[in-house]
Amino acid sequence: QQQVKQSPQSLIVQKGGISIINCAYENTAFDYFPWYQQFPGKGPALLIAIRPDVSEKKEGRFTISFNKSAKQFSLHIMDSQPGDSATYFCAARDTGTASKLTFGTGTRLQVTL
Amino acid sequence: DAGITQSPRHKVTETGTPVTLRCHQTENHRYMYWYRQDPGHGLRLIHYSYGVKDTDKGEVSDGYSVSRSKTEDFLLTLESATSSQTSVYFCAIGRPNTEAFFGQGTRLTVV
Repeated sequence: QQQVKQSPQSLIVQKGGISIINCAYENTAFDYFPWYQQFPGKGPALLIAIRPDVSEKKEGRFTISFNKSAKQFSLHIMDSQPGDSATYFCAARDTGTASKLTFGTGTRLQVTL
Repeated sequence: DAGITQSPRHKVTETGTPVTLRCHQTENHRYMYWYRQDPGHGLRLIHYSYGVKDTDKGEVSDGYSVSRSKTEDFLLTLESATSSQTSVYFCAIGRPNTEAFFGQGTRLTVV
């Protein structure tokens, strides 16, 4: 079963607009929720992350909103730029052995001029 | 790429042949992971290691085995490759309570 559900699958946003990607999780043992950004031909790279005791975290144009009771979290990209065009993955870390990450299925973001 | 090298970067192999992918790290991270990436599925964990000779299965481990004889190397073996194992394979490293760092990936095609 899919423990982390991500939507939408793809997203087209105009330059300067706000991109919003949503994720929901099932497992209450998750203790850390990172977002990864991946460009074609590259490995995923950590973009921003949040812990469940915080409701929001902002780094530059990127903000994570976290709703623990609803088991949902989202990534907001403000003032989206063409350089933000990439695939974004949400993930959740297990508190158990080896801090394993479970990923969402990814969102392909295209920012148009 | 956080001191992670995957080899080979690309490989084409025939159905039924054994294949080994290598992940080498220079960061002395305790944890190492193998993921596969497929359209519509995101990244799925194949196997992981929490120390030398300590490995365990992930969610899609059937048809794969791993070995870790040194801290820096984590090998993924497909004993008898099948077309369903055509994918992009990523190695990642991590420590307790830190993020995971990913390699550049290996694109494997099984024909």
